[in-house]
This record gives sequence, structure tokens and C-alpha cells, in this order.
Amino acid sequence: AQSVTQLGSHVSVSEGALVLLRCNYSSSVPPYLFWYVQYPNQGLQLLLKYTTGATLVKGINGFEAEFKKSETSFHLTKPSAHMSDAAEYFCAVGAQKLVFGQGTRLTINP
Amino acid sequence: EADIYQTPRYLVIGTGKKITLECSQTMGHDKMYWYQQDPGMELHLIHYSYGVNSTEKGDLSSESTVSRIRTEHFPLTLESARPSHTSQYLCASSEVTGRISGANVLTFGAGSRLTVL
Repeated sequence: AQSVTQLGSHVSVSEGALVLLRCNYSSSVPPYLFWYVQYPNQGLQLLLKYTTGATLVKGINGFEAEFKKSETSFHLTKPSAHMSDAAEYFCAVGAQKLVFGQGTRLTINP
Repeated sequence: EADIYQTPRYLVIGTGKKITLECSQTMGHDKMYWYQQDPGMELHLIHYSYGVNSTEKGDLSSESTVSRIRTEHFPLTLESARPSHTSQYLCASSEVTGRISGANVLTFGAGSRLTVL
């Protein structure tokens, strides 16, 4: 079975500060990992994905994530937060069917 | 511009009513999914389909049913709505990214928020 744990249901950072959203996964097979973002009253949008190859994955809007097998982690980072980054972020694992974490709400303070 | 459409976006109905949530996609994807989302909780897969005339129940038990008569259409039906069905329902479709990797990238609709009084 596969599962995802997102550490922190709510993260608040200042504009221009580093964004770090944590995700740990459990998988009995080599995982496919995803980060999705959900803006208010919208569906989920793919930020980035890891399937195979390079462990540092770059996504849209300046986000990136690093797959660390030894730590079973796939944390999402952005060097400098922007007000438009305020949203709910979901980590997911899976191939045919995705298993999602409970989400982390990111708030950006001016 | 969205390639996957859900209607209605918002629905408030009384207990016992039959409702159908519509989901259509224009991307020609074979795989489609319904997720249920409650505030502060993870998304739960309630139904999925890998093609026409193929439907399966997901990981979360649901009293809803689905059908897949056409590739582009995947409606979800509740025969008798109850307050416990109040939630947001997200429809998604996917394509496999590469024949070797096998990872499905989901495209989501904007969601249907259902409130049952």
C-alpha cells in the first residue's frame, strides 16, 4: 500500500522568504511522486512530478522538489515566496491511482 | 482554458433528492476518476474508469454510482442525497506519461460543491 504524510496543515511565510512544504511517502515499489496546487474555488493543477531519473525536479512558478529515497521524502521548495503562491498544496504518490496527502495551506504575509 | 468540465459548480438540495454531477473532458483520455474532498482532509478516490463500459469503486466507500458510456463523459449519481453526502467532488482524467514510466498525470476539473440540507 502507498501513503503520503504532509507535515503541517498550515504554513505561513513572508513575501520573499523561502517556502518549504514537507512531504513523506510510503511505497513498497519505486514511487511516482507529484505535487499539485489548488487555488480557491478551482481544481488541482500539476506543479511537478518525479517518475525516474534526476532526483531534483523543477516545476512551474519557480517551484522545485527533491526526491530523497533514503529519507522517503519529496519536499517542495521555492526560494522566494510571492503573494500569488497562496494556495493549498497536495503531495501525491502512485501510478495508476494516486494517493493524496491531506494538503498544506500556504499563506503569504506582505 | 479548462479541458475538463464539471457541472454544476455549486448545488444545494434537500434530503432524498436524486442528483447527477456531470463531468466531460475533451482530451480523449481513457482514464477518468472521481475524488471526494472535505476541508483539511486528503482527497479520497471514490470511482474510476479505464475506458468505456469500465467502472470500478475506489478506496473510499461511496453510495454514489457512475457510468461510462462515452469516452468523454463520466457522470456521478446519488439516488437519494443525505446530509452526509455534503462535500466537494472533483473529477479528473489522465494520460500515461511515456510507455515506460507508466505514471498517470491527472488533469482536474474545477469541482462540484454539493450541500444537502
